[in-house]
Amino acid sequence: SSELTQDPAVSVALGQTVRITCQGDSLRSYYASWYQQKPGQAPVLVIYGKNNRPSGIPDRFSGSSSGNTASLTITGAQAEDEADYYCNSRDSSGNHPVFGGGTKLTVL
Amino acid sequence: QVQLVQSGAEVKKPGASVKVSCKASGYTFTSYGISWVRQAPGQGLEWMGWISAYNGNTNYAQKLQGRVTMTTDTSTSTAYMELRSLRSDDTAVYYCARDEAYYGSGNFGYYFDYWGQGTLVTVSS
Repeated sequence: SSELTQDPAVSVALGQTVRITCQGDSLRSYYASWYQQKPGQAPVLVIYGKNNRPSGIPDRFSGSSSGNTASLTITGAQAEDEADYYCNSRDSSGNHPVFGGGTKLTVL
Repeated sequence: QVQLVQSGAEVKKPGASVKVSCKASGYTFTSYGISWVRQAPGQGLEWMGWISAYNGNTNYAQKLQGRVTMTTDTSTSTAYMELRSLRSDDTAVYYCARDEAYYGSGNFGYYFDYWGQGTLVTVSS
């Protein structure tokens, strides 16, 4: 099992706000990064650091962190946001990256 | 623009080896590390290891120690991942990704900002 825990599936109504969470002890010391992956495609970075979006990522994506939990929030979810989302941070030793198990987001 | 272009799909028999390449362009290759990440069919992402393109230092996932070797060729800006003694559960899409670091508000963060397109490696007798 992963050292980062994500809910396997989350759904959101079109245009509503959804929060995807990632829990793990290492998140008290390291920021999480978040990746969107659509079927048959490579992952795409959507959030890194405290709350930074790479160029080209819509501002409806935001990140936050509190204690051992990091969150990815999509404000006003769009149909094209339907995808798998993975968090990434460090393992308990801090030496290796580790991914959460992924959350499948369905936009209704 | 930054691009990572990987080699094509491979089919291997159990016990064989595979070597996947990842050619970088659009940035100074030796200024970043490269991580390799794999994804078995229908499964999540698994970090395999990292190599510094600056000095060749490596850091491998414990479960792959002894079976994986990552190298770079700075003359062609290409990273390589070789996996030996292949088993059926090594069947996966293998990705290379550029490794980056962030520091802010007292904490570090690490992330993969550019990814290759993926290489399907199928292990089957």
